[in-house]
Amino acid sequence: GAVVSQHPSRVICKSGTSVKIECRSLDFQATTMFWYRQFPKQSLMLMATSNEGSKATYEQGVEKDKFLINHASLTLSTLTVTSAHPEDSSFYICSASYPGTSNEKLFFGSGTQLSVL
Amino acid sequence: LAKTTQPISMDSYEGQEVNITCSHNNIATNDYITWYQQFPSQGPRFIIQGYKTKVTNEVASLFIPADRKSSTLSLPRVSLSDTAVYYCLVGAWTNAGKSTFGDGTTLTVKP
Repeated sequence: GAVVSQHPSRVICKSGTSVKIECRSLDFQATTMFWYRQFPKQSLMLMATSNEGSKATYEQGVEKDKFLINHASLTLSTLTVTSAHPEDSSFYICSASYPGTSNEKLFFGSGTQLSVL
Repeated sequence: LAKTTQPISMDSYEGQEVNITCSHNNIATNDYITWYQQFPSQGPRFIIQGYKTKVTNEVASLFIPADRKSSTLSLPRVSLSDTAVYYCLVGAWTNAGKSTFGDGTTLTVKP
């Protein structure tokens, strides 16, 4: 299957700093990528849809100035958590839409565990 | 977007066949059904996708009845390493990413 690489896998930062997470589709071009947030023992929550060359679409309740998304190429989307605070600590996951012959499929990155001290 | 309902948890033993059913009563005509597996601190992994009837690959089978209001993921001869959370997603082919993750089913395989 298609491979989506997410980096870093784990990051610890001080409150007030910004953190950038990268999501790359390694062997296919993804015009659309998605960012999720997952708290312990909970399901994934879609945060935003990242479209190559255009502004991201954020889900209701997600602060776009807090979670900056850039999708500058067909293989890379980045999520920047600006001025991170302890409540932003979570597991962040990206996915990329892989255009199949009959239906699109989502392939996911390995996730980034963010801990804000 | 179709809402999905799955059992919260299931237990099984090594070597058994496991069937996890997902209900999606308001599935739309263009919606596909996709199952994912997630281990702790990892992203979900694609297992199988189908539209109707039966789909089989090297790791699982997916059974979808004619009314498509439910689907069953079948894992043959599970092992301890199959202990994970399993999610079914229902979404249109051009809108797969907007599919909502339900609560998933935590499968625990015991020796």
